[in-house]
Amino acid sequence: EADIYQTPRYLVIGTGKKITLECSQTMGHDKMYWYQQDPGMELHLIHYSYGVNSTEKGDLSSESTVSRIRTEHFPLTLESARPSHTSQYLCASSEWGGTGEQYFGPGTRLTVT
Amino acid sequence: GNSVTQMEGPVTLSEEAFLTINCTYTATGYPSLFWYVQYPGEGLQLLLKATKADDKGSNKGFEATYRKETTSFHLEKGSVQVSDSAVYFCALRRDSGGYQKVTFGTGTKLQVIP
Repeated sequence: EADIYQTPRYLVIGTGKKITLECSQTMGHDKMYWYQQDPGMELHLIHYSYGVNSTEKGDLSSESTVSRIRTEHFPLTLESARPSHTSQYLCASSEWGGTGEQYFGPGTRLTVT
Repeated sequence: GNSVTQMEGPVTLSEEAFLTINCTYTATGYPSLFWYVQYPGEGLQLLLKATKADDKGSNKGFEATYRKETTSFHLEKGSVQVSDSAVYFCALRRDSGGYQKVTFGTGTKLQVIP
């Protein structure tokens, strides 16, 4: 079983609010990722990290920001939420090397009204 | 660049029917290939994988064979169950300059009816 957690699972928030989506893993993985999943199910990589103090933007431009101060923790922040940010956000991690298998959290479904 | 193409869904099957979900890829070299499954309300989880040509990955009755000559990794199951209803993602991992890039397909939704 993968040990990767996301909170909250569901969030409904008004426009303009600042929010942070939490992601933690207990597997000691160096690599972590944030994906945005649209209603058509396609996954879009928005941020990734190779380790502490490493963060990079992914393939899809996003107004969110991330930080990696501890290996196990990779939070995602939206400074000012907008309805266009409504989506499912999935966090994942993987070990360095190996076969590249990614372990996913259960996701946060965000609705901005 | 790398890409993964999956058959479009949704796919609707009766219980005990045979399942095939097609997946083809474009990549240089020898990527590793994966099938992930996403059940309703959950994140993705690895279903099976293959790391080199002619490898067969298998799990929970699902199988897929890494075919380099046709650049394919089709998912099959001989007899589906209602509990197999989910979204299935094909993916590849390719090492590029030290960065291990994973590319996902767009997902195929499977609905199995009793």
